[in-house]
Amino acid sequence: DAKTTQPPSMDCAEGRAANLPCNHSTISGNEYVYWYRQIHSQGPQYIIHGLKNNETNEMASLIITEDRKSSTLILPHATLRDTAVYYCTRPLGRLYFGRGTQLTVWP
Amino acid sequence: DTEVTQTPKHLVMGMTNKKSLKCEQHMGHRAMYWYKQKAKKPPELMFVYSYEKLSINESVPSRFSPECPNSSLLNLHLHALQPEDSALYLCASSQIMRSGANVLTFGAGSRLTVL
Repeated sequence: DAKTTQPPSMDCAEGRAANLPCNHSTISGNEYVYWYRQIHSQGPQYIIHGLKNNETNEMASLIITEDRKSSTLILPHATLRDTAVYYCTRPLGRLYFGRGTQLTVWP
Repeated sequence: DTEVTQTPKHLVMGMTNKKSLKCEQHMGHRAMYWYKQKAKKPPELMFVYSYEKLSINESVPSRFSPECPNSSLLNLHLHALQPEDSALYLCASSQIMRSGANVLTFGAGSRLTVL
């Protein structure tokens, strides 16, 4: 039973919106969904989290489906510096990372 | 201060050496974590300390020995490691928010090479 499922890779043109999906069909009602990203060989960086409602901060927006079984991270205007591995995670009592999505932003 | 500081950034050690990785935070976080990350793989949880007590050990071999001397410091003592233990070791800290969310702040990592 996968904790979260993400596509292994995605591409996006610079300046366009990047929409990164995540499936978390077994999530329980009080579990948050967290998104982190990791630029090559650096520590993971927190992006955003959500429970039921859509969320937005200075980095990204998070859209959570009404049944909470999936979510989408939106980077509204991707830049080359957004090239990274993006992890959608659930706590499950401790923060596990799945394989993530390698997002490549091209000029 | 909103950072987690890890030292050293790089460490090369032999299989008979004893060394330590250090992690420090001054955000008042009461939970601290060690993760191990191999190349092209996601971080894997090793240990969690909560209020300076070990709360989670993910069946890590005893050649890795964590220590939390106070609420700001976390050490990982290394002894008799194997070449396959070469990896990026990540430290993180967190505090439960009023909403119940638990956001981790990660350090830049210590790159360990075992010869």
